[in-house]
Amino acid sequence: SQELEQSPQSLIVQEGKNLTINCTSSKTLYGLYWYKQKYGEGLIFLMMLQKGGEEKSHEKITAKLDEKKQQSSLHITASQPSHAGIYLCGADVGGSEKLVFGKGTKLTVNP
Amino acid sequence: DTAVSQTPKYLVTQMGNDKSIKCEQNLGHDTMYWYKQDSKKFLKIMFSYNNKELIINETVPNRFSPKSPDKAHLNLHINSLELGDSAVYFCASGRRGVPEAFFGQGTRLTVV
Repeated sequence: SQELEQSPQSLIVQEGKNLTINCTSSKTLYGLYWYKQKYGEGLIFLMMLQKGGEEKSHEKITAKLDEKKQQSSLHITASQPSHAGIYLCGADVGGSEKLVFGKGTKLTVNP
Repeated sequence: DTAVSQTPKYLVTQMGNDKSIKCEQNLGHDTMYWYKQDSKKFLKIMFSYNNKELIINETVPNRFSPKSPDKAHLNLHINSLELGDSAVYFCASGRRGVPEAFFGQGTRLTVV
């Protein structure tokens, strides 16, 4: 069974629109990581969240981890074509020493 | 000053061949990982090494063998390559006890 559920699988938005990507687990997340993968390229680390209720922002991207530490959301404000790519959430599920990943969300931003 | 570097970036080879992918990190981390990303973009851990010792070994065919000559390097050797091995392989590094956060650019392996 998939330990991390990511939604939606794909998202197409018009430039300037806001959007949210979700990452959910049935287990406690001991560390939640958001990555961006540009088509054909490597993974770019965006943010890490560890504490329940934590929220971090970088430029127009905000990530939150809920109080129960089982769900995280990634919010992009006023999206731009440069935001296009695949967003992956990864988490330490159950306190092991490895990350498990969601299946990713493919974001397309139309100019 | 690349933090985690993998070579080669692209690798096309025939079935049955043996190939290696190299990974090096200059972050001073003590733990390194190999992940496989399949055609559906699903990323799954294969191996983890801490201070040159194997600490995570998921269900991976014996044809895959990681080798860590020192803490800064973790190479992946694949014997008798099969079509199903085609994927993007990511190397990552971090510190023991803290899930890794730094990935290499990936190696796109195509077996024909």
